[in-house]
Amino acid sequence: GNSVTQMEGPVTLSEEAFLTINCTYTATGYPSLFWYVQYPGEGLQLLLKATKADDKGSNKGFEATYRKETTSFHLEKGSVQVSDSAVYFCALSRTQGGSEKLVFGKGTKLTVNP
Amino acid sequence: DAGITQSPRHKVTETGTPVTLRCHQTENHRYMYWYRQDPGHGLRLIHYSYGVKDTDKGEVSDGYSVSRSKTEDFLLTLESATSSQTSVYFCAISDGDTMAKNIQYFGAGTRLSVL
Repeated sequence: GNSVTQMEGPVTLSEEAFLTINCTYTATGYPSLFWYVQYPGEGLQLLLKATKADDKGSNKGFEATYRKETTSFHLEKGSVQVSDSAVYFCALSRTQGGSEKLVFGKGTKLTVNP
Repeated sequence: DAGITQSPRHKVTETGTPVTLRCHQTENHRYMYWYRQDPGHGLRLIHYSYGVKDTDKGEVSDGYSVSRSKTEDFLLTLESATSSQTSVYFCAISDGDTMAKNIQYFGAGTRLSVL
């Protein structure tokens, strides 16, 4: 079946540190891949996406590359800020009943300290 | 921000009572979804709708029903609430058939406690 595995948190970093959150997936076919972010007390919002192999999604200094050979979509940021503290979810799209749905990982909580 | 309103935002109820959560959108998007978020599980799809009166089950649909009589409203009903349904519930919307081209926009969530 289709599934997403992301590194367990929580992750605690100091400001300006480098961030990597690992995400691997299992899927039939060629899903689209997503990173969503959830700030405290809010709903999820799309951070970035990639729709085919070797695509790189980027937004707000975050990047992730769709690696088909390793079935991975790791999230990276070169220098994190306190405002990046949030829960990050990796997700893939899958088809059910003719419509596409999202399958989410369990989330990784990031805390950035000043 | 996408025009999605969830109500109520917080609710405490007793085991065995029916509960209805409402999701209202002003975007005229075709697709609407209900998820639940629990620690250690991420988000799991309960039900979704692909048009007025067109709904289908997600991966954790037992104990839940939905209705969509208008494009803008998607209701989630817990027929007889149980403590295992204590969770944060999120509504989401999207406007297309292909997730590769479209994204889901999420509401702010409803925190439900079943005592």
